[in-house]
Amino acid sequence: RKEVEQDPGPFNVPEGATVAFNCTYSNSASQSFFWYRQDCRKEPKLLMSVYSSGNEDGRFTAQLNRASQYISLLIRDSKLSDSATYLCVVNTNAGKSTFGDGTTLTVKP
Amino acid sequence: DADVTQTPRNRITKTGKRIMLECSQTKGHDRMYWYRQDPGLGLRLIYYSFDVKDINKGEISDGYSVSRQAQAKFSLSLESAIPNQTALYFCATSDSTVWDRETQYFGPGTRLLVL
Repeated sequence: RKEVEQDPGPFNVPEGATVAFNCTYSNSASQSFFWYRQDCRKEPKLLMSVYSSGNEDGRFTAQLNRASQYISLLIRDSKLSDSATYLCVVNTNAGKSTFGDGTTLTVKP
Repeated sequence: DADVTQTPRNRITKTGKRIMLECSQTKGHDRMYWYRQDPGLGLRLIYYSFDVKDINKGEISDGYSVSRQAQAKFSLSLESAIPNQTALYFCATSDSTVWDRETQYFGPGTRLLVL
């Protein structure tokens, strides 16, 4: 079993739709959690950190459930520019990051 | 100028050749990482370094070596390249002073093809 698992998708949604991605992690000692965005064949870039209380950044909402060991990302009012691969990242207190394989989103007109 | 740079950006080499990928950063971060990404997969950690004198193996270090020449430079070597090392390689940095919220900053990647 992989340490970090994501639904690979692809998710194909129309503009304006709401879409949610889930990610599960197996290491209960994991300390911090992130969502990164990766455009085709480019470097990953931080989208948002995920806090225990949940956090929102514009159209994006991230949630963390430590008891069930999963995190989620909700995108509201999808835009064409949201099309990308979304990577779930989990850090241990040893400073190492483990990446999920990513979930691909395509937003269509 | 980019904060994290990688050279070369693209490289084609032959099986058995030695190749070095270089990474430089101007962010002043102490932590540096090398990852590889294969199609449809996430990033897998090859080596990481938390300081100039610190080198640690990652998940898939076999066939690779690294050198941390200075805080700003971290090189990855393939001593004898093989075709299954064909991949997209990323260097990244992070700031240890905020470890519980540290994010990683990636270079643009090096596309390596081993024939």
